[in-house]
Amino acid sequence: SQQGEEDPQALSIQEGENATMNCSYKTSINNLQWYRQNSGRGLVHLILIRSNEREKHSGRLRVTLDTSKKSSSLLITASRAADTASYFCATKFSGNTPLVFGKGTRLSVIA
Amino acid sequence: NAGVTQTPKFQVLKTGQSMTLQCAQDMNHEYMSWYRQDPGMGLRLIHYSVGAGITDQGEVPNGYNVSRSTTEDFPLRLLSAAPSQTSVYFCASSRLAHQETQYFGPGTRLLVL
Repeated sequence: SQQGEEDPQALSIQEGENATMNCSYKTSINNLQWYRQNSGRGLVHLILIRSNEREKHSGRLRVTLDTSKKSSSLLITASRAADTASYFCATKFSGNTPLVFGKGTRLSVIA
Repeated sequence: NAGVTQTPKFQVLKTGQSMTLQCAQDMNHEYMSWYRQDPGMGLRLIHYSVGAGITDQGEVPNGYNVSRSTTEDFPLRLLSAAPSQTSVYFCASSRLAHQETQYFGPGTRLLVL
């Protein structure tokens, strides 16, 4: 399977702390995306990083991409209780091939 | 815009019954897809479509049929439901050219007894 793998599977932190989630994949990608899913809801797109980019920021989110290690990380700074959700990475390969989603990291932010 | 809508929100079926999960989007997106989400399995692609009249299989297509007669609609059909199809089903759409942002519907929770 080309599915990305998130690490850790679950993460529990205190409000105000930073949360880091990692994603590894197996083959060359066009881009890598991160999504958030609140309990019982659909996924929401957070950020996209292209294969020729190394780092991107969006508000409290910071994403890095290391194509040599085939890995990406998502950092959420100064976490809030509202950040409690599952986070998925999704990899985009070349052409019209669909996105491939990982199994997700379940983040719990305790107030 | 309503975005991506899915109906029904919840459905209970008996083994062997058939049903259609509806998905519609009003963003004029070429690309639409169906995923199922099971505990510990993430999202697995069932079928996808790159435009009206064009569909293709994903990772787990068995037991499901799709068609794409219009840009807006992408229904998923279960011909003979099985307990293994108990899951949460998500429909998503995006612009074809880049597939940069997938917009997801709220999901349909299906229970097959």
